[in-house]
Amino acid sequence: DGGITQSPKYLFRKEGQNVTLSCEQNLNHDAMYWYRQDPGQGLRLIYYSQIVNDFQKGDIAEGYSVSREKKESFPLTVTSAQKNPTAFYLCASSATGGSNQPQHFGDGTRLSIL
Amino acid sequence: DAKTTQPNSMESNEEEPVHLPCNHSTISGTDYIHWYRQLPSQGPEYVIHGLTSNVNNRMASLAIAEDRKSSTLILHRATLRDAAVYYCILRAYGGATNKLIFGTGTLLAVQP
Repeated sequence: DGGITQSPKYLFRKEGQNVTLSCEQNLNHDAMYWYRQDPGQGLRLIYYSQIVNDFQKGDIAEGYSVSREKKESFPLTVTSAQKNPTAFYLCASSATGGSNQPQHFGDGTRLSIL
Repeated sequence: DAKTTQPNSMESNEEEPVHLPCNHSTISGTDYIHWYRQLPSQGPEYVIHGLTSNVNNRMASLAIAEDRKSSTLILHRATLRDAAVYYCILRAYGGATNKLIFGTGTLLAVQP
């Protein structure tokens, strides 16, 4: 079945360490997104990409980096500059970057600090 | 994007219909109304969207007020699997990005 796969499901980061969260989609979607969710809160946009080799900062990009070298992949790196990385991270995709396209989400990665 | 207002929580009994309200008094003429839901420890799931006319799909119905300042998501027969947080989101047609702005949504509890 087509969908979005995020891995790992749980991830632990040591102080000063960079970690990379994987997001793969087989929906042939052009656009991909990364959101962060804190307990009891809605989602906030970190980065998005409307096409391969292009990406834009969202509302809370500081301390994060992304790449979009392949259409199906949009990995997110949480750098040591992100001082409060503990959160639930969600990846999504849509057919195009158009504002009326429904987004399809993965099941998330829960990141915690050791 | 315009703001939406939803109740923090609602309760329903299994097998009964559920009406989830959303107010969006500052909606513009080109804003679509989208609904997503999020089950515990999962990513959000698209439910339905509409512009002016009522919409039906296999998951739910969306009833939009004539002045478009409010809408209601209708689950025709609630099941235990419908217990989730439901988000009402406005999306401007033709916007530069497809950013979804999530509020805190409505937590729906379904009693057996």
